[in-house]
Amino acid sequence: KNEVEQSPQNLTAQEGEFITINCSYSVGISALHWLQQHPGGGIVSLFMLSSGKKKHGRLIATINIQEKHSSLHITASHPRDSAVYICAVRSWGNQFYFGTGTSLTVIP
Amino acid sequence: GAGVSQSPSNKVTEKGKDVELRCDPISGHTALYWYRQSLGQGLEFLIYFQGNSAPDKSGLPSDRFSAERTGGSVSTLTIQRTQQEDSAVYLCASSPDRGNYGYTFGSGTRLTVV
Repeated sequence: KNEVEQSPQNLTAQEGEFITINCSYSVGISALHWLQQHPGGGIVSLFMLSSGKKKHGRLIATINIQEKHSSLHITASHPRDSAVYICAVRSWGNQFYFGTGTSLTVIP
Repeated sequence: GAGVSQSPSNKVTEKGKDVELRCDPISGHTALYWYRQSLGQGLEFLIYFQGNSAPDKSGLPSDRFSAERTGGSVSTLTIQRTQQEDSAVYLCASSPDRGNYGYTFGSGTRLTVV
């Protein structure tokens, strides 16, 4: 069993749609990260969360520590949002666990 | 520079040879991480340096892998006696590791063992 589970694995959306990617984890964590990997392979850190909610532009990330669950939302999706989104957690023991990623394709 | 710099960007090596990969983190970042991503696979944590503390080596896949960080800045990941399964993109990231900061990733080193 993976310590971090993401869903869906693949997601295709029409431009403008509201998108949600989910992440569940089974370990106690000190922080959760959402990463974005572009088709060329470059990785960008989107958010680091330990509680509550963060917003940056059209991206919103939430975390529920009690339920061990986080969501990444994209409002008014655009083709340039097409990427793989990875959920990663850092446990209290400083172990790092990664989800297998959600491949998002936004169609014009 | 302003970002995390990795070198070389590409490396092709023969099986059995040793390779060294370099990471130059953002100045002042106390935390440095090495990951790898094999073809079609997710990210895999390798090793974590935090300041002057002993590194967390729990992710290193075998004793052929080692890493050091000199002077709390530049890090070198060394793979001895490379095997074909070592072929991957090796990514370095750094973080101020205080407060609510995330990572900054380098562009990676693509290692191909032939």
